[in-house]
Amino acid sequence: KNQVEQSPQSLIILEGKNCTLQCNYTVSPFSNLRWYKQDTGRGPVSLTIMTFSENTKSNGRYTATLDADTKQSSLHITASQLSDSASYICVVSDRGSTLGRLYFGRGTQLTVWP
Amino acid sequence: EADIYQTPRYLVIGTGKKITLECSQTMGHDKMYWYQQDPGMELHLIHYSYGVNSTEKGDLSSESTVSRIRTEHFPLTLESARPSHTSQYLCASSDVGTGNGYTFGSGTRLTVV
Repeated sequence: KNQVEQSPQSLIILEGKNCTLQCNYTVSPFSNLRWYKQDTGRGPVSLTIMTFSENTKSNGRYTATLDADTKQSSLHITASQLSDSASYICVVSDRGSTLGRLYFGRGTQLTVWP
Repeated sequence: EADIYQTPRYLVIGTGKKITLECSQTMGHDKMYWYQQDPGMELHLIHYSYGVNSTEKGDLSSESTVSRIRTEHFPLTLESARPSHTSQYLCASSDVGTGNGYTFGSGTRLTVV
């Protein structure tokens, strides 16, 4: 069964600190992995997208890594800001169908305190 | 800047009412999707469309229906709303495959009382 598991479920950090969120997946065959940021009551916004051949991608203070061999990804947030408080969702796409199915994790709820 | 628009953002409605959630995109994407998301849970695909006059049901069974008469418009309709339909509904669209063009709308938070 194709699955995406994220950890931790929730995380509280102080403003200015760094943090790392984890994503493990079993989706096969793998096409790409995306990290989204979802503010409360809003739709997800794309942060990064990585294909099989990419192992690191950055978007400002966000850096995603991918190990396609171990089927693991991480999202590292540097120098956190209050506006980083949100749910971070890992999404994996397969290439087993023309739809290119998306498999969603439940997200990590990040809270940044001043 | 979001190029996919959902209305209304919030809706509180009585049981038994008919409702339509609107979704429009200006990116010319062929593929459009509806997802349902409960608090703290993952998104579940309930409907998708490959193009005009093409609609399919997703993974999660839903009593809602969709239509795709125009490329840019993908409304979702509930003929008779029930409290179990209370949820957040997210619309998305994508270009060929599911590459970088996969974009979500801001969602509609539906509450049925």
